[in-house]
Amino acid sequence: TQLLEQSPQFLSIQEGENLTVYCNSSSVFSSLQWYRQEPGEGPVLLVTVVTGGEVKKLKRLTFQFGDARKDSSLHITAAQPGDTGLYLCAGKLNNDMRFGAGTRLTVKP
Amino acid sequence: DAGITQSPRHKVTETGTPVTLRCHQTENHRYMYWYRQDPGHGLRLIHYSYGVKDTDKGEVSDGYSVSRSKTEDFLLTLESATSSQTSVYFCAISVGGLNTEAFFGQGTRLTVV
Repeated sequence: TQLLEQSPQFLSIQEGENLTVYCNSSSVFSSLQWYRQEPGEGPVLLVTVVTGGEVKKLKRLTFQFGDARKDSSLHITAAQPGDTGLYLCAGKLNNDMRFGAGTRLTVKP
Repeated sequence: DAGITQSPRHKVTETGTPVTLRCHQTENHRYMYWYRQDPGHGLRLIHYSYGVKDTDKGEVSDGYSVSRSKTEDFLLTLESATSSQTSVYFCAISVGGLNTEAFFGQGTRLTVV
């Protein structure tokens, strides 16, 4: 069982649609990160959230950290084919960093 | 770009042979990590280093060893490769301290046959 559960595992949508992916846990994290990974490449950091309830925006991407710091969501507005990739969340717990298995997003033109 | 280079990028090896993967960084970062990525499991930490000759085990360290004799190089060795070690291996560095935001290399795809 993953410490961080990401849902959905796979998501295929049309260009222009909105979507939300989730990262859930029963553990409390001191911080949480989101990464995007493209095929054949390493993950690339998108954002770090630290404070419960924190919301950060990165262009069309909105990241939210749950009030209890156990979960997070990533919302993409008007998805584009360039958003296609594997979205990973990672939480810092004590001195460990744990990754979820990811949501694989495909945006069709 | 965090200046991380992994070599080789692809390798096929036979069961029972030793294999060494190399991670090279150009920016003198203290913390370096080796992860493996497998479908359904995400990234799992194998070993990490917090300085020259200072290393520690991660979540899935069995069957792996590491060495860091210079700041810029972090080597991962599979002592006797097994098919369960077929995976994509990523090296990473963090700049803000232990287990802070990570910057990853491009990965090494290892196949053990």
